[in-house]
Amino acid sequence: ILNVEQSPQSLHVQEGDSTNFTCSFPSSNFYALHWYRWETAKSPEALFVMTLNGDEKKKGRISATLNTKEGYSYLYIKGSQPEDSATYLCAFHGSSNTGKLIFGQGTTLQVKP
Amino acid sequence: GAVVSQHPSRVICKSGTSVKIECRSLDFQATTMFWYRQFPKKSLMLMATSNEGSKATYEQGVEKDKFLINHASLTLSTLTVTSAHPEDSSFYICSARDSRRNSPLHFGNGTRLTVT
Repeated sequence: ILNVEQSPQSLHVQEGDSTNFTCSFPSSNFYALHWYRWETAKSPEALFVMTLNGDEKKKGRISATLNTKEGYSYLYIKGSQPEDSATYLCAFHGSSNTGKLIFGQGTTLQVKP
Repeated sequence: GAVVSQHPSRVICKSGTSVKIECRSLDFQATTMFWYRQFPKKSLMLMATSNEGSKATYEQGVEKDKFLINHASLTLSTLTVTSAHPEDSSFYICSARDSRRNSPLHFGNGTRLTVT
């Protein structure tokens, strides 16, 4: 059974704080690691698709790093804003499957103004 | 671009009835769509992979006769929950990937099913 773990489960920060959370995944048969943001009453929105060990990707104030050898990815948010409040999901895409993604439980971020 | 529409967003039905949920890719063709279910405070659990023109591939523990999947065209997949029971009450969400290499999943808005 493939295990994708995210921590922390939830996080409360003040506006302007920077924050980060972790996704751990199997280090074998790796193909890609996805990050999604899921706001309430909306559909999950893709942030990053990362494929190479050492990858770093950035989108505005959000960035992510990838370590496939040890099986973890970090998502960073710099200067959190209330609109960043959402659940952040990571998903593992293994090389031996048919394109399906295995999701972590998510980290729910609440940014207080 | 890459919009996925899921309908209905919310449905309440009586025990024993069947419910059909539609998932459409509006501006791209999706040979493969994925159906997920979310239990309270849990992650998205993959139920099945829907393949256009062929049978769906179900994950272990998911009853294929209970959750019928049809992917009749490149833009439409349907999930039918047959003879629904209260334990089928859940949040169901579909997703699709376009043909670009390493493209992300594009999700519908999900369907909240309540079986009374």
